[in-house]
Amino acid sequence: AQSVTQPDIHITVSEGASLELRCNYSYGATPYLFWYVQSPGQGLQLLLKYFSGDTLVQGIKGFEAEFKRSQSSFNLRKPSVHWSDAAEYFCAVGPSGGYNKLIFGAGTRLAVHP
Amino acid sequence: GAVVSQHPSRVICKSGTSVKIECRSLDFQATTMFWYRQFPKQSLMLMATSNEGSKATYEQGVEKDKFLINHASLTLSTLTVTSAHPEDSSFYICSAGSQNSYEQYFGPGTRLTVT
Repeated sequence: AQSVTQPDIHITVSEGASLELRCNYSYGATPYLFWYVQSPGQGLQLLLKYFSGDTLVQGIKGFEAEFKRSQSSFNLRKPSVHWSDAAEYFCAVGPSGGYNKLIFGAGTRLAVHP
Repeated sequence: GAVVSQHPSRVICKSGTSVKIECRSLDFQATTMFWYRQFPKQSLMLMATSNEGSKATYEQGVEKDKFLINHASLTLSTLTVTSAHPEDSSFYICSAGSQNSYEQYFGPGTRLTVT
């Protein structure tokens, strides 16, 4: 069955420190992979996506992610975290079934200490 | 990126009444719209998928008679929560996609509180 696992429910980092959020997936074919960020009480904003090509993907707000097929992973990274990065981060994989449905991970809540 | 709006952003209704939430794609034609429900500190749960001009496809366990979805045009989908109960209180998020892309563009969400 298709699934997405985000092993870390909650992560706390200091401002200026590097960040890596983990995402593992189970998918029967080549997946399309997404990272979204959600601030409290808000909708989801797309950070970056991987469809094909270069496995290192650059996104907005200084984020990047690397697709590793051998590890079924798509980890999100940022070299220096800002206090404004505190939010909930969701990894998603698709398409699932018809109509391009996405499967979301449980999310990782990022807290940033000053 | 494409812009999706939701209205209202917050709504409080009494138990037993119905409430309608609108989802609009402002600058593109959304052939498919998705409705999600999100409980506090949890991930998004897909409720249903709707294609313009056809009946919505509901996920297992979602009551189609309680959560009425209409996708009458390429820019508007509505979710009506009928005979709302306090347990229907949640954050409802819509997203929109086009047939040419696997991306989904999310609305800002609607906070429903049933008293």
